[in-house]
Amino acid sequence: DQQVKQNSPSLSVQEGRISILNCDYTNSMFDYFLWYKKYPAEGPTFLISISSIKDKNEDGRFTVFLNKSAKHLSLHIVPSQPGDSAVYFCAASGFTSGTYKYIFGTGTRLKVLA
Amino acid sequence: DGGITQSPKYLFRKEGQNVTLSCEQNLNHDAMYWYRQDPGQGLRLIYYSQIVNDFQKGDIAEGYSVSREKKESFPLTVTSAQKNPTAFYLCASSNKGRGNQPQHFGDGTRLSIL
Repeated sequence: DQQVKQNSPSLSVQEGRISILNCDYTNSMFDYFLWYKKYPAEGPTFLISISSIKDKNEDGRFTVFLNKSAKHLSLHIVPSQPGDSAVYFCAASGFTSGTYKYIFGTGTRLKVLA
Repeated sequence: DGGITQSPKYLFRKEGQNVTLSCEQNLNHDAMYWYRQDPGQGLRLIYYSQIVNDFQKGDIAEGYSVSREKKESFPLTVTSAQKNPTAFYLCASSNKGRGNQPQHFGDGTRLSIL
């Protein structure tokens, strides 16, 4: 049973427009949510995170929104740039067995069209 | 320049053979992790270690083994007991602490069966 889901495998957006990547989760005990970006042949790199007690966190062009009642988070990229084309993973962390563990979604491939 | 290094980039395994994937970090991180990625799936946790000489099984540890003799190193052995080893393997490290600590990933090792 997948606890973190990214239901859109791919997304295409015009350069300069907003990209919205979505993520749903099932476990209300998750404490933090993180977004990673992955280019081909490279490991994921951390982008932005949000605590479960907040509903918004912003860092430059990237904003993450958390809707706890819907168990849904989204990553907004404004304005989108061709260099943003990558696979984006959301991850949720929860404290279990004495440590924090991370559950990853399956990823959404974003293509920003010039 | 600090980072996490995985080697080799590509690895081939014969039937009945054990192979070892290397992971080294110079970020002075206490925690290290091994993940497996299959097509269309998220990253699944194989093993993790919070401190030298200690490690715990993740969600899919069967057929794998690890050691943590040094803070910088966390090698993963894929044993002959792992019947479906073909996948992309990612190593990560992070500071210990709360679940918002971002993980730093290597560039991965792609393992295939000969």
